[in-house]
Amino acid sequence: KQEVTQIPAALSVPEGENLVLNCSFTDSAIYNLQWFRQDPGKGLTSLLLIQSSQREQTSGRLNASLDKSSGRSTLYIAASQPGDSATYLCAVSQLTSGTYKYIFGTGTRLKVLA
Amino acid sequence: GAGVSQTPSNKVTEKGKYVELRCDPISGHTALYWYRQSLGQGPEFLIYFQGTGAADDSGLPNDRFFAVRPEGSVSTLKIQRTERGDSAVYLCASSLYAGAGETQYFGPGTRLLVL
Repeated sequence: KQEVTQIPAALSVPEGENLVLNCSFTDSAIYNLQWFRQDPGKGLTSLLLIQSSQREQTSGRLNASLDKSSGRSTLYIAASQPGDSATYLCAVSQLTSGTYKYIFGTGTRLKVLA
Repeated sequence: GAGVSQTPSNKVTEKGKYVELRCDPISGHTALYWYRQSLGQGPEFLIYFQGTGAADDSGLPNDRFFAVRPEGSVSTLKIQRTERGDSAVYLCASSLYAGAGETQYFGPGTRLLVL
């Protein structure tokens, strides 16, 4: 059974720091990996999608990497800002019982201090 | 449409009552998914529709939960005899089709609180 783990569970950093969020998964048979942002009381906002054949994706200050064989992904946030404060979720797309489902981690709660 | 929409955004009910949660997917998307997110957890898969049919309902926790998508667009998640443990955020997602690597687009969720 696929298990997705995110470390750390919570992180508090001063504004301007570069930071790395980690995601690991136990079964490398995935089709893609997606990083989401979730603000308190809100839904999921997609940040970056990495297909299984790709190694990384970049969007602005965000860079996500994928090492499928080792079951790891990292989300790198450059020059963090207070507006980056949110919960970050990673999810892997896997074929289970004939359905392409997302399996989510429990998230990293990020707080960027002004 | 602009994106996946869900109504209501918040629902408070009493234990034992019946509730319906609605999802309006992106226009033209054939695949629709329901997930449930408990406090402090990541979302967990409930059910998947391809067109009008429930192709996979393996994530539904018990027979109090049921979902329909009668015309292949809007879907309704129905919960009978609600229990306090049903309190969670219910998320809906849609994708153009259900295929390898296809992106699922999520709605804002319905926050259900069972008192």
